[in-house]
This record gives sequence, structure tokens and C-alpha cells, in this order.
Amino acid sequence: GNSVTQMEGPVTLSEEAFLTINCTYTATGYPSLFWYVQYPGEGLQLLLKATKADDKGSNKGFEATYRKETTSFHLEKGSVQVSDSAVYFCALLNAGGTSYGKLTFGQGTILTVHP
Amino acid sequence: DGGITQSPKYLFRKEGQNVTLSCEQNLNHDAMYWYRQDPGQGLRLIYYSQIVNDFQKGDIAEGYSVSREKKESFPLTVTSAQKNPTAFYLCASADSGGAGNTIYFGEGSWLTVV
Repeated sequence: GNSVTQMEGPVTLSEEAFLTINCTYTATGYPSLFWYVQYPGEGLQLLLKATKADDKGSNKGFEATYRKETTSFHLEKGSVQVSDSAVYFCALLNAGGTSYGKLTFGQGTILTVHP
Repeated sequence: DGGITQSPKYLFRKEGQNVTLSCEQNLNHDAMYWYRQDPGQGLRLIYYSQIVNDFQKGDIAEGYSVSREKKESFPLTVTSAQKNPTAFYLCASADSGGAGNTIYFGEGSWLTVV
């Protein structure tokens, strides 16, 4: 079945540091890949997505590239801010077969950014 | 405003009771989902529906039930058979389950068993 594995957290950084959160996946077919962000006590907000190999999703300074050869979708940001502190989830949407329409999440990575 | 509305935001349940969480969307989306989130953990899929009057079990469907009588509504019932129901429940919807479609989430409902 499908699965998503994220680097374990928590991740603690100083403001303006470089951020990488690793995400790898296992899936059949050609999934779409997503990063969602969750602030305390809230639902999930879409951060960025990529729908095919070599696509790069980007938003608010965050980027992730869909790498089919390494089955990865690592999240990066060149300079984090305190306001980026949140939980980040990598997710996979399988668009074929018996798992059609099922969105599978990684376990989430807590990011804390200090001034 | 368009979006996904979950209610109630907070719910307390006595052991042995069934409770129903509401999820309504006005985005004209075909697909709807229910996820459970436990503290410090990721999201686990309970049920999902690609079309009215049809739904599929997710990874942790035991102790839950759903219905999809209307396109805009996908209520989740947490039954007394669910042994550990205290969690944060998230409803989501998408235009369809196909590739490239984005899934949007509601604000969530906190359920506590007392």
C-alpha cells in the first residue's frame, strides 16, 4: 500500500536559518504530492503541491521538487521566520487503482523557530 | 464564503454514547473525507466518499459510521464501539480524487470522552 515517511522532529532552528524536512514515499502509479501546514488548534492548510515527476511546488518561500527516481518530496526554505513555527505534513494522493482518491499522510514534523 | 464547516468545535461524550460530527461544504466538491488526529501524531483516514450515496472504509473505520445522502454533507458518527474516541477529527473535501486535485480541510472538531 501507499506510505509516506517524514524525518522525525522536532526541528528547532534560529530565525533566518535554512530549513529542510525530508519526505519519501511508496506508492503505485503516479501519485500527486503535497505539503500541508498545521498551526496549533487548527485544521490543515495546503502549503504546496506537485502533480508529476520533476514538478516543483512553491509558496511563501517554501519549495519542494517531486523526484520520482528517489521517491522523495523534500521541503526547503532558505530563511525561516518565527511565524513558520508549525507542524508540517507530507502527503500523497493516489489517483489510480483501489486506492483512488485516498490521501495518505506522513507523521508530521514539528518546526520551532526561535528569534 | 466558500469552505468546509465542521461542528461542533468541541464535544464531550459520555462512555457508551454515540455522537455525530457534522461536516458541510459549499465548494461543490464530489469527494469528502474524515481523518482522525491524535496528539503529536499524523492523520489517519477513517472514511472517504467519492460520490453521493457511496463511501469507502479508510485505515481505521472500526467504531465509526458515515453517510453521504447529499453532495455537500458527510456526517461522521462515533459509536460506542470505538474504544478510544478522544481525538481531533478533521473533515476534508476535493473536487475529485483524481491526480492534481487539492484536498481542503475544515477547522476540525475536538471530541473528548468523559
